[in-house]
Amino acid sequence: ILNVEQSPQSLHVQEGDSTNFTCSFPSSNFYALHWYRWETAKSPEALFVMTLNGDEKKKGRISATLNTKEGYSYLYIKGSQPEDSATYLCACPTNAGKSTFGDGTTLTVKP
Amino acid sequence: SAVISQKPSRDICQRGTSLTIQCQVDSQVTMMFWYRQQPGQSLTLIATANQGSEATYESGFVIDKFPISRPNLTFSTLTVSNMSPEDSSIYLCSVGQGDGELFFGEGSRLTVL
Repeated sequence: ILNVEQSPQSLHVQEGDSTNFTCSFPSSNFYALHWYRWETAKSPEALFVMTLNGDEKKKGRISATLNTKEGYSYLYIKGSQPEDSATYLCACPTNAGKSTFGDGTTLTVKP
Repeated sequence: SAVISQKPSRDICQRGTSLTIQCQVDSQVTMMFWYRQQPGQSLTLIATANQGSEATYESGFVIDKFPISRPNLTFSTLTVSNMSPEDSSIYLCSVGQGDGELFFGEGSRLTVL
């Protein structure tokens, strides 16, 4: 069983603030890391699929980095907007397709 | 990608009863999983639904409590049996791609009184 941890548990920011959160995972036997966004009353959807050490992915104002040697990934949101309010989950899949999820970071962006 | 329809979207049930959740996918998929999120906790894998054979359960989950059917490559059901308030959770059906990325249904929010 992998131990995937996320911090902080929750975050409240003002519109326009930039923010970041962390996902840590075991660095041994790394396969991949995924970031998901889960908005209330919707299904979780994948943001990024990251596989290589040093990977940097970007989608609009959201970006993510990966360090497999030290076992962490950062998710950054630049200029947060109220529509960014959601729970952000990271997950480590195995090659069998099963994923272990962190507890998530719940972001609230106040207008 | 895959479009996943899950129902019911929510239900309120009495202690001791059972509820079956259905998951329909718009394409044939090999890997289909059932997850649970209890209040304040992370998504936890219950089992892998295998087409044509018994589901594979994770530690802490048993077939008698969570029987799963997978009659074909586009459909699966999860039953929560003999429910107690501790079973109050969001139950999610998901399908996987080769790189491990998951696509999810919108979830079934279950409240047990």
